[in-house]
Amino acid sequence: ETGVTQTPRHLVMGMTNKKSLKCEQHLGHNAMYWYKQSAKKPLELMFVYNFKEQTENNSVPSRFSPECPNSSHLFLHLHTLQPEDSALYLCASSQGVSGSQAETQYFGPGTRLLVL
Amino acid sequence: AQKVTQAQTEISVVEKEDVTLDCVYETRDTTYYLFWYKQPPSGELVFLIRRNSFDEQNEISGRYSWNFQKSTSSFNFTITASQVVDSAVYFCALIGGSNYQLIWGAGTKLIIKP
Repeated sequence: ETGVTQTPRHLVMGMTNKKSLKCEQHLGHNAMYWYKQSAKKPLELMFVYNFKEQTENNSVPSRFSPECPNSSHLFLHLHTLQPEDSALYLCASSQGVSGSQAETQYFGPGTRLLVL
Repeated sequence: AQKVTQAQTEISVVEKEDVTLDCVYETRDTTYYLFWYKQPPSGELVFLIRRNSFDEQNEISGRYSWNFQKSTSSFNFTITASQVVDSAVYFCALIGGSNYQLIWGAGTKLIIKP
């Protein structure tokens, strides 16, 4: 089974729609991350969860709402998005979020989102 | 401040040539970790290597090799006998000190022509 899976792989939505992105990791990790990758911009960390608790919210607009029901699943709920939110959304997981030793992050295939 | 610079925006070579991707980093931390990831057109970021600041040994994995030099703050990546399947965007990244957030370079797009 692939380590980190994401669904859907592609999503087109209108600005008034509500949709959710799903991420699942099969690596037994405890930390999960959402990243946004826009064209010609560096990867942006959006949210971090460690043992289901949110530990980081990098000033992300409230139209993005994460949910982490358990250590294996992570969701990103989307509502009233803007066209500039069109991007590749990547999920990642790592063993933990450690201050003493950096943990390698493993990524899913991403969801390509287009907001019309 | 921490920073990762990948000065080569795009590199194009013919198959079977060797190619080196440059990565220069800045950090004031004495303990830090460096990473390389590959992003093929499908989008997934594939982990290639992780190196900590106390291990300056060069690493070789098949056709891939990495040269870590603290004196020049560089962590360069060489592909020997390149293949078309190596075509991708390659990212260098850094985690420093007690921070768990990856600092990413802008990426180098590598095109291998048959």
